[in-house]
Amino acid sequence: DQQVKQNSPSLSVQEGRISILNCDYTNSMFDYFLWYKKYPAEGPTFLISISSIKDKNEDGRFTVFLNKSAKHLSLHIVPSQPGDSAVYFCAASDGNKLVFGAGTILRVKS
Amino acid sequence: DAGITQSPRHKVTETGTPVTLRCHQTENHRYMYWYRQDPGHGLRLIHYSYGVKDTDKGEVSDGYSVSRSKTEDFLLTLESATSSQTSVYFCAISAGDRGGNTIYFGEGSWLTVV
Repeated sequence: DQQVKQNSPSLSVQEGRISILNCDYTNSMFDYFLWYKKYPAEGPTFLISISSIKDKNEDGRFTVFLNKSAKHLSLHIVPSQPGDSAVYFCAASDGNKLVFGAGTILRVKS
Repeated sequence: DAGITQSPRHKVTETGTPVTLRCHQTENHRYMYWYRQDPGHGLRLIHYSYGVKDTDKGEVSDGYSVSRSKTEDFLLTLESATSSQTSVYFCAISAGDRGGNTIYFGEGSWLTVV
């Protein structure tokens, strides 16, 4: 049973517009959430995180929102750039390890 | 750069042969992980270690074993490789003492079982 779900396998966005990537989780014990970005033939790289005591965290063009009651988090990228085209994974922590979603392929068209 | 080196980076092996992947870190982190990445499944945890000789299973541990005899090295062994184990394997370390902190990945090991 998947504890972390990314229901959109892919997303296509025009350059300059907002990209919104979504993630749902089922385990209420998760207390820390992260987003990773992955380019082909490279390892995933950490992008941004949020603790369960917060509902928003911002870092430049990237903002993560957490809705604990809905067990939902989202990543907003504004403005989107062609270099943002990659696979994005959300992850949740149980204190010992991270559980990842299946990923969303983001394509930013110029 | 998280100071993680994976070897080999690419390997082709035959079904039924044993294979060992090595992960080496230079920064003395306590927690180390092995994940595999497959289309449609994302990153799935195979095994992890929270100290020398301390390991635990992840969600897809069948057919894999691990060993950690030194802080800096975490070995993943496929006892008898099968085609279903063709995948990209990523080693990772956790920054800080808590295992569920931000983790940093190596560059990956591409394994093909024929």
